[in-house]
Amino acid sequence: QKEVEQDPGPLSVPEGAIVSLNCTYSNSAFQYFMWYRQYSRKGPELLMYTYSSGNKEDGRFTAQVDKSSKYISLFIRDSQPSDSATYLCAMTATGANSKLTFGKGITLSVRP
Amino acid sequence: NAGVMQNPRHLVRRRGQEARLRCSPMKGHSHVYWYRQLPEEGLKFMVYLQKENIIDESGMPKERFSAEFPKEGPSILRIQQVVRGDSAAYFCASSPQGMGNTIYFGEGSWLTVV
Repeated sequence: QKEVEQDPGPLSVPEGAIVSLNCTYSNSAFQYFMWYRQYSRKGPELLMYTYSSGNKEDGRFTAQVDKSSKYISLFIRDSQPSDSATYLCAMTATGANSKLTFGKGITLSVRP
Repeated sequence: NAGVMQNPRHLVRRRGQEARLRCSPMKGHSHVYWYRQLPEEGLKFMVYLQKENIIDESGMPKERFSAEFPKEGPSILRIQQVVRGDSAAYFCASSPQGMGNTIYFGEGSWLTVV
């Protein structure tokens, strides 16, 4: 079993839709959970991070962590064509010197 | 991504040659990470360095790959005797404290081995 599993894609939605992106993980030591957005031929851009369980909202984006189920989600409200990109979940154990473990990523396309 | 500088952005090498990828971290960041992204794969951790020290190289292939972060100058990822399977995007990331929630990535170096 891989440490981090991400829903396979690609995913295509109409503009204005609510998008739900999900990852599961197996390592109970993970405490920090991140979502990165990556445009084609570009580096990953940190979108959201959450520590432990709970929700965090930033504009149209909401990150949700359920440690009991080892499940994290990213919700995008009122999706825009500019949201079309690959979304990567990442996580790391608490403490310094923490390397990130990534999901494979899911490619999202928002149709105008 | 602003601030973590990688060069070259694109590099073509013939099999058996050496590839050197450079990374200058964001200002004030003393922790550097290298990740590799193979086609259709997620980002995979390779190595974590602080100035003049390798902290964690558990993701580095045992042969041909090495990394350094000298006291002065950029971090270097060196791949000797490249093979076609080394073709990938190599991303550098930096952090001020080594904490997972403050890691920022560069734009990447795309290596193609012909």
